[in-house]
Amino acid sequence: EAGVTQFPSHSVIEKGQTVTLRCDPISGHDNLYWYRRVMGKEIKFLLHFVKESKQDESGMPNNRFLAERTGGTYSTLKVQPAELEDSGVYFCASSPPGLALGTGELFFGEGSRLTVL
Amino acid sequence: QQQVKQSPQSLIVQKGGISIINCAYENTAFDYFPWYQQFPGKGPALLIAIRPDVSEKKEGRFTISFNKSAKQFSLHIMDSQPGDSATYFCAAMSSYGNKLVFGAGTILRVKS
Repeated sequence: EAGVTQFPSHSVIEKGQTVTLRCDPISGHDNLYWYRRVMGKEIKFLLHFVKESKQDESGMPNNRFLAERTGGTYSTLKVQPAELEDSGVYFCASSPPGLALGTGELFFGEGSRLTVL
Repeated sequence: QQQVKQSPQSLIVQKGGISIINCAYENTAFDYFPWYQQFPGKGPALLIAIRPDVSEKKEGRFTISFNKSAKQFSLHIMDSQPGDSATYFCAAMSSYGNKLVFGAGTILRVKS
């Protein structure tokens, strides 16, 4: 079974440009999360989808970030316009439906490293 | 405000030694404490987890010790091996919540 896949693995853009990150969760996983790790810091929650609905987007830094999940399948995270402080590794994770996070686990992708110059 | 504080930032251990990583939390609503292991170029993967109804959980060479009154928990890796070299993240969450709160990570290197 395929794991969580993320694309691109690494993106280098200039300040002010736009970048779109994509995540394909494990098939059948209704829960999809985006997290971000800035160098050397903790992995920080950005938002949580249940199917196509945003359950919690309290971690989104500002309105330059837009996340979507089309049809409850794959998700995209767009940063527009990108700023220097947006650099970091963006992780996507998924978990099965009907399974409270507290009793299960998150399955992470390998991350998308974003470098803003 | 960092809700889960992890130490040390990095750790070097000789093969066969014991690796110890510590975490402290503030939110008393947290009731699930997993540890994730991340190898270079890979995503974090669940290693072991504990709930506060027990003070210790062991899986193979990996043990979580939990101190509810001190709001601290730690990961012990016995007989550390070079293959254990990775970044380890502690995390915490409330069963009523929906998101994990992670520590800053510990880079472990086991020297052969």
